[in-house]
Amino acid sequence: GQQVMQIPQYQHVQEGEDFTTYCNSSTTLSNIQWYKQRPGGHPVFLIQLVKSGEVKKQKRLTFQFGEAKKNSSLHITATQTTDVGTYFCAGFTYNFNKFYFGSGTKLNVKP
Amino acid sequence: KAGVTQTPRYLIKTRGQQVTLSCSPISGHRSVSWYQQTPGQGLQFLFEYFSETQRNKGNFPGRFSGRQFSNSRSEMNVSTLELGDSALYLCASSLAAGFDRGYTFGSGTRLTVV
Repeated sequence: GQQVMQIPQYQHVQEGEDFTTYCNSSTTLSNIQWYKQRPGGHPVFLIQLVKSGEVKKQKRLTFQFGEAKKNSSLHITATQTTDVGTYFCAGFTYNFNKFYFGSGTKLNVKP
Repeated sequence: KAGVTQTPRYLIKTRGQQVTLSCSPISGHRSVSWYQQTPGQGLQFLFEYFSETQRNKGNFPGRFSGRQFSNSRSEMNVSTLELGDSALYLCASSLAAGFDRGYTFGSGTRLTVV
């Protein structure tokens, strides 16, 4: 069935390095949302992308939505230890009327 | 502004029993959705309620049910518990239904089935 795939599953970086996680859907998404979950915490909403090719920035975080609205990415520039956590994408498909979370990318930042 | 409140925080139940979890959304939020989070399956959408009506449903068996009250508070019920139902159950609220805006999650209820 339709689902949202996310890669990589884990990423270990040295503080100051960049980080990117990718989200891919088998069908066109109406929108995509990104969440961050700190260890032991709950998901916290970061941003939503709706338009084809949309790019949004939040300080060191850059979010992109693909032209075909089937993929998205989150890029963090110059990671900090506060970036540690699991990043999830979540997409909604009108044709299936379903909301799917990606499997998440667990980011570990070494100081 | 108070966040999304889930009770209880922790619960231990025996296989075969049933359980009811509660979620109070942010004041003014009328949409409440429920999710199951496990290490193996990740975050999975259970269902969403808006104005006391179920608007969307994930791929879970009928043992999982929910309801929403007129004050937007929501409950989730799991009957005939199985060991595999052990998970963190999260609820999230939003102003409107339809997944076209971000959701605010509660801290979750950690359910252990023994």
